[in-house]
Amino acid sequence: QQQVKQSPQSLIVQKGGISIINCAYENTAFDYFPWYQQFPGKGPALLIAIRPDVSEKKEGRFTISFNKSAKQFSLHIMDSQPGDSATYFCAAPFNQAGTALIFGKGTTLSVSS
Amino acid sequence: IAGITQAPTSQILAAGRRMTLRCTQDMRHNAMYWYRQDLGLGLRLIHYSNTAGTTGKGEVPDGYSVSRANTDDFPLTLASAVPSQTSVYFCASSVAQGGVGGYTFGSGTRLTVV
Repeated sequence: QQQVKQSPQSLIVQKGGISIINCAYENTAFDYFPWYQQFPGKGPALLIAIRPDVSEKKEGRFTISFNKSAKQFSLHIMDSQPGDSATYFCAAPFNQAGTALIFGKGTTLSVSS
Repeated sequence: IAGITQAPTSQILAAGRRMTLRCTQDMRHNAMYWYRQDLGLGLRLIHYSNTAGTTGKGEVPDGYSVSRANTDDFPLTLASAVPSQTSVYFCASSVAQGGVGGYTFGSGTRLTVV
């Protein structure tokens, strides 16, 4: 059964700085790796995702970097803003068939102004 | 509405009682999921259903059951609630199996078992 290890547990970044969150996964034959963003009192929402036929995907200020050989992927938030303050979760396929996602334990990001 | 509706929003339940959390989606998504969220533990997969009529066990299925009689509804039942089932429960759906393309989450049900 897949496990996903996410770090750090919490992160404080100055406005304009770069936020980096890391995830490591175990074996899977189904490659789909998303990041979700959650604000207090709300359900998580998809932020960005990658299928590792590429090593990097960028959408605006958010970038996923993927290292398939190391079984690791990371989220980079450039020019971090106070509105980015939220909890971020990485996810990976639950099993070889990819029938569902399992999530890391989350990273609470605080961007100070 | 366009999305997922969960009910109730919150509930206080006596231990040993039976409870069904409701989840309805109007997007005609094939796949649906139940997660519980606990502080410090993230989201843990309870059960999933890739299509109507089929269900599967997730990471933490014990004490919970689900059914998927049609595309839109995916209720989660606690047969005999225990305090360790105190949590926030999220239902989610996706067009494709495994959440490819993204999950749509409901707003959650906060359940307290006393």
